[in-house]
Amino acid sequence: DAGITQSPRHKVTETGTPVTLRCHQTENHRYMYWYRQDPGHGLRLIHYSYGVKDTDKGEVSDGYSVSRSKTEDFLLTLESATSSQTSVYFCAIKGLGETQYFGPGTRLLVL
Amino acid sequence: DQQVKQNSPSLSVQEGRISILNCDYTNSMFDYFLWYKKYPAEGPTFLISISSIKDKNEDGRFTVFLNKSAKHLSLHIVPSQPGDSAVYFCAASDDPTSGTYKYIFGTGTRLKVLA
Repeated sequence: DAGITQSPRHKVTETGTPVTLRCHQTENHRYMYWYRQDPGHGLRLIHYSYGVKDTDKGEVSDGYSVSRSKTEDFLLTLESATSSQTSVYFCAIKGLGETQYFGPGTRLLVL
Repeated sequence: DQQVKQNSPSLSVQEGRISILNCDYTNSMFDYFLWYKKYPAEGPTFLISISSIKDKNEDGRFTVFLNKSAKHLSLHIVPSQPGDSAVYFCAASDDPTSGTYKYIFGTGTRLKVLA
C-alpha cells in the first residue's frame, strides 16, 4: 500500500463546469502522476509533477491543469468539463526504483 | 501512433495451465518495462518489472521475458488461478535519462481463468 488516496471517488458534473480532483499521498514521494483510463486506450498520462510547484505535461494534457503546492497533494483541474473528459482518473506515485504505484481511481461522468 | 501495443484484447485459459500475455513496442530507446494487473473498480497493481539489460525476470508464478531485437515482451503466469482473472497492462519507460520516470501503457489484455 503506497498510501495514496483520491477524492472524490465518484463525480457527476455538467458540461462547462470546473472540476478538481485531488490526489493525496502520505509517504513524501517526489514524483506524482495523473492518468486517464478509457476503453481501447489503456492508461494515458495527463500531467506529472517532479516536486512542489514543478509540473509538466503528458500526452493528453489539453483541457487539464494541475497544481502541487505541497508534497502530499497533487490536484487535477478540468477548467470547463466536456463529455470527452468522462473517464476514470488515476493518480500514481513513483515508488522504489522505477515503479509507479496507483491510487484507487476517480470515476468522472460529464453530462 | 501507439508505441506500446497489446494486440490481444482478451485471453481465456484453463485453471492450472500457463497464461501468456504479449506486448510489443516500437521505440528502441525504451529501457524499462512494467506489468500491472487491474481488477474492476480498483487501481492498477504493480506485478513485475524488467530492465533492458536482462532478458528474464521471475517472481513466484510470474515471469517476464524480454526480446529486445524483436521489441517484444511477454508475461507468463504458471499455474494460472481464477484470482488471476483481471486486465493486464504492460508499460514502457521512454525517458531513460531525464529521470522523470514517465511510462507509456498498452491498451491492456483481459485474462479470464476458467475453473
